[in-house]
Amino acid sequence: RKEVEQDPGPFNVPEGATVAFNCTYSNSASQSFFWYRQDCRKEPKLLMSVYSSGNEDGRFTAQLNRASQYISLLIRDSKLSDSATYLCVVRDTGRRALTFGSGTRLQVQP
Amino acid sequence: EAQVTQNPRYLITVTGKKLTVTCSQNMNHEYMSWYRQDPGLGLRQIYYSMNVEVTDKGDVPEGYKVSRKEKRNFPLILESPSPNQTSLYFCASSLYAAVVYEQYFGPGTRLTVT
Repeated sequence: RKEVEQDPGPFNVPEGATVAFNCTYSNSASQSFFWYRQDCRKEPKLLMSVYSSGNEDGRFTAQLNRASQYISLLIRDSKLSDSATYLCVVRDTGRRALTFGSGTRLQVQP
Repeated sequence: EAQVTQNPRYLITVTGKKLTVTCSQNMNHEYMSWYRQDPGLGLRQIYYSMNVEVTDKGDVPEGYKVSRKEKRNFPLILESPSPNQTSLYFCASSLYAAVVYEQYFGPGTRLTVT
């Protein structure tokens, strides 16, 4: 079983739609959680951290459910520019490295 | 401009021919690492370095070497490349290991080994 699992998609949604991605992680000792964004053939970039209390950044909302070991990303009012692959990232306690999911591809259509 | 640079960006080579991919950062970061990205597998860490002359294996170190003689540079060496090392490689750096999630990635090197 992969340490971090994501639905690869693609999620094809119209502009203005609300879309949500989930990600599950296998290590209950995982400490920190993040969402990265990766445009086609480009480098990944940190989108937002995921806090236990949930957090919001504009149209983006991230939530953590430790009991069920999943994190989610909600994008409201999708824009064409949101088209990208979204990577779920986990940092385990005591590790100096991150574990990346394989990503969920989002395609926002006009 | 703060950045991580990698060279070359694209490389096609043959099995067994030694190659080096360079990585350089201009942010005085202590922590640097190399990842490979393959379809369906996500980014996997190859090696990382906490500081000059301090390197350690990541999750998939076999077939790779690194060195950290200067703070800004962290080259990735493939002594005898094989086709299963065909991949997209990213170098990344962060100020410290504690803030590894705030790492800056280089633009990537697409390597094909025939």
